[in-house]
Amino acid sequence: DQQVKQNSPSLSVQEGRISILNCDYTNSMFDYFLWYKKYPAEGPTFLISISSIKDKNEDGRFTVFLNKSAKHLSLHIVPSQPGDSAVYFCAASGGVLIGGSEKLVFGKGMKLTVNP
Amino acid sequence: DTAVSQTPKYLVTQMGNDKSIKCEQNLGHDTMYWYKQDSKKFLKIMFSYNNKELIINETVPNRFSPKSPDKAHLNLHINSLELGDSAVYFCASSRLPGLSMGETQYFGPGTRLLVL
Repeated sequence: DQQVKQNSPSLSVQEGRISILNCDYTNSMFDYFLWYKKYPAEGPTFLISISSIKDKNEDGRFTVFLNKSAKHLSLHIVPSQPGDSAVYFCAASGGVLIGGSEKLVFGKGMKLTVNP
Repeated sequence: DTAVSQTPKYLVTQMGNDKSIKCEQNLGHDTMYWYKQDSKKFLKIMFSYNNKELIINETVPNRFSPKSPDKAHLNLHINSLELGDSAVYFCASSRLPGLSMGETQYFGPGTRLLVL
């Protein structure tokens, strides 16, 4: 049961253009969303997050948009750079502590390639 | 300085063997996790420890036994390895069990386990 879905396995864009990565979720209890970036042979690294009380969060070239009614979030990278080429994971957290801990549910990732 | 480190990075072993993966974090975090990334690329939580106490135990075979000798270490011991255990195992840590805006989990580089 995939509660967090990244339906497109890959995306290829030209350097300088916008990259838009999409993520859908099914659990309405999720109230905190994160994007992670992963290079080959490394662990995921945190990129940006958004709480469900907001619909947009921006950090430099990265902006995350949240549409709660559609249960959809997207990550925009502008302008895209070759160093952004990586796998991007969307993750969600339920706001309900399970045994005292927040469980993160991850999507299966999307490979972004930014061509010079 | 590596924040979350795992050893070994690669592990190739025969079915039926017992093996351990070690994880250490130098971030002073209270909470540590083990995740499994399977062949379908999903990152799924296996265990979570807070201050050396188990707080999340997902549906994982009891051949997998985590051990936390102190807050900075969370090791994973696997008995009677099976072919299906082949995956990448990631250790992670967070400052607190509960995630909130701006908080995240920090991941290790992963241990690639191949069971032959």
